[in-house]
Amino acid sequence: SQTIHQWPATLVQPVGSPLSLECTVEGTSNPNLYWYRQAAGRGLQLLFYSVGIGQISSEVPQNLSASRPQDRQFILSSKKLLLSDSGFYLCAWSVPPTGARDGYTFGSGTRLTVV
Amino acid sequence: AQKVTQAQTEISVVEKEDVTLDCVYETRDTTYYLFWYKQPPSGELVFLIRRNSFDEQNEISGRYSWNFQKSTSSFNFTITASQVVDSAVYFCALIDGTYKYIFGTGTRLKVLA
Repeated sequence: SQTIHQWPATLVQPVGSPLSLECTVEGTSNPNLYWYRQAAGRGLQLLFYSVGIGQISSEVPQNLSASRPQDRQFILSSKKLLLSDSGFYLCAWSVPPTGARDGYTFGSGTRLTVV
Repeated sequence: AQKVTQAQTEISVVEKEDVTLDCVYETRDTTYYLFWYKQPPSGELVFLIRRNSFDEQNEISGRYSWNFQKSTSSFNFTITASQVVDSAVYFCALIDGTYKYIFGTGTRLKVLA
């Protein structure tokens, strides 16, 4: 069965520090991968998506970047965190090419607090 | 432009009451998909249902039911005889030809014992 792992679950980081959040998927090949952010009191905002190794599409210009070094690994990074980067980050996957229509499978999320 | 509106920010009901969560969407596409997800306190989003734009038949799954009306661009979600375990944030979402989700801002449901 397919599973998605996301870590860490919670993270408190000072302003200006780097960030690395990791997401891995098991039990499927060549998934579409997504990073979403949920700010307090707001909906889910798509940050990045990837349809293959090394292929990253950015939806919102920001202080973050994403990478996909392996087929089932998706990493969200920042060189210097801002206070506004605080939020709940969710990784998700779907089966290509149009698997999003069948629904996403989400990870358990990382709650990031920048202080 | 695509948009999903969940006007109810928070709803509180007493256990065993019925509750309806509203969802209104906007899209120019004739083919699209609508979803509901549940986000319990643990944070993970759980898929509940998907409807495509060509199927307006309402659906019932246990205590959950969904009312899809294209005429009003609405996809409302009703929980019958609510339980404390139903307490969560519920998101409505839309996918059209771009295959990207547009999420609403969510409705927090509190079911009181």
